[in-house]
Amino acid sequence: DAEITQSPRHKITETGRQVTLACHQTWNHNNMFWYRQDLGHGLRLIHYSYGVHDTNKGEVSDGYSVSRSNTEDLPLTLESAASSQTSVYFCASSDSRTSDTQYFGPGTRLTVL
Amino acid sequence: GQNIDQPTEMTATEGAIVQINCTYQTSGFNGLFWYQQHAGEAPTFLSYNVLDGLEEKGRFSSFLSRSKGYSYLLLKELQMKDSASYLCAVNLNRDDKIIFGKGTRLHILP
Repeated sequence: DAEITQSPRHKITETGRQVTLACHQTWNHNNMFWYRQDLGHGLRLIHYSYGVHDTNKGEVSDGYSVSRSNTEDLPLTLESAASSQTSVYFCASSDSRTSDTQYFGPGTRLTVL
Repeated sequence: GQNIDQPTEMTATEGAIVQINCTYQTSGFNGLFWYQQHAGEAPTFLSYNVLDGLEEKGRFSSFLSRSKGYSYLLLKELQMKDSASYLCAVNLNRDDKIIFGKGTRLHILP
């Protein structure tokens, strides 16, 4: 079955370290999205991509970067982790050719100490 | 700016009916989603309304009024497993970008 996976599921890191969160989907969806979810804020869009080599900034993109070298993967990198980036991160994908519905990965809980 | 409002928490009784409201003021509108999210899990798709009116899907129904910037999710015959957060989200334009409300946490009492 097609799916969307994220790794790691849990990560603890220290302030200032570079961290990369992986997202992999096997649906062949052209669109991929990264969100963070915090109490009191709901889901907020960090970066998104409409296809290979395409990346766009979302609402809360500062301190984050993404790259899209193939259809299946959109890794999210925190260049220099900060305590304010402690959050739960969700990756999602959609296929604009058939539907606007986004399907979410299981999430990564990141703690920055 | 974009604004999506929904109640923070609601409580209902098993077997009853509950209506979760969502109002929105956004720069664009191409449709409205409802997602369900159990604690510690990912959001899962419930419904998508593009046109005005009511769409029914089993125990769940979703209503949209574009002129009023208003939607609701109706849950019938509530079950304990319906205890979750319900997220209202607006598809702003034809670029598949979605803006989410903060979610409504629904508690079901036996």
